[in-house]
Amino acid sequence: NAGVMQNPRHLVRRRGQEARLRCSPMKGHSHVYWYRQLPEEGLKFMVYLQKENIIDESGMPKERFSAEFPKEGPSILRIQQVVRGDSAAYFCASSPPPQGPVGNQPQHFGDGTRLSIL
Amino acid sequence: QKEVEQDPGPLSVPEGAIVSLNCTYSNSAFQYFMWYRQYSRKGPELLMYTYSSGNKEDGRFTAQVDKSSKYISLFIRDSQPSDSATYLCAMSANSGGYNKLIFGAGTRLAVHP
Repeated sequence: NAGVMQNPRHLVRRRGQEARLRCSPMKGHSHVYWYRQLPEEGLKFMVYLQKENIIDESGMPKERFSAEFPKEGPSILRIQQVVRGDSAAYFCASSPPPQGPVGNQPQHFGDGTRLSIL
Repeated sequence: QKEVEQDPGPLSVPEGAIVSLNCTYSNSAFQYFMWYRQYSRKGPELLMYTYSSGNKEDGRFTAQVDKSSKYISLFIRDSQPSDSATYLCAMSANSGGYNKLIFGAGTRLAVHP
């Protein structure tokens, strides 16, 4: 029963290049979330997606960042024209849809992609 | 003021001690409360998940939620060196059926033999 899979684990880019981060949710999970963790800081919400839909992107910078979760394949977080400030760990989490009286279901995280910008 | 406040530590305790970790929050709409453990260079691992107020116990771990005080706690009994990690509290409101998690900064715990 594989968990949330993220790749690559480490990604090095030069300023101005593009970074693509991939996330495969747990089996049966249709909700995907992306978070960013800066050094010595907690995780910050970026975007929430369901299959083929962006539900909430309020935590994602308006420029250079985009996310998708296609009908087939993993969710992708894309950062164009990277800058030094984009260096961080990017985590993906997934959850099943809300169920029963409790509603919201817990999120399970992958091990992240550590992005370094030279 | 941050929505979720958590003392970053570090907290150092001897093996076998009872550990108390805490978070306070300001948003009264929060209804879902979680504790995650994060080892270095790894992703957060869900420890406890609580809806609304009350206590929840799982093995050596007990989570408490006091919504009237906007205060949550995680207790670890008989702490082990393998418990050394960063502990993150997280919470969310019931907003349209999905969980936008708000995290504390994390408390770094070291359990020494």
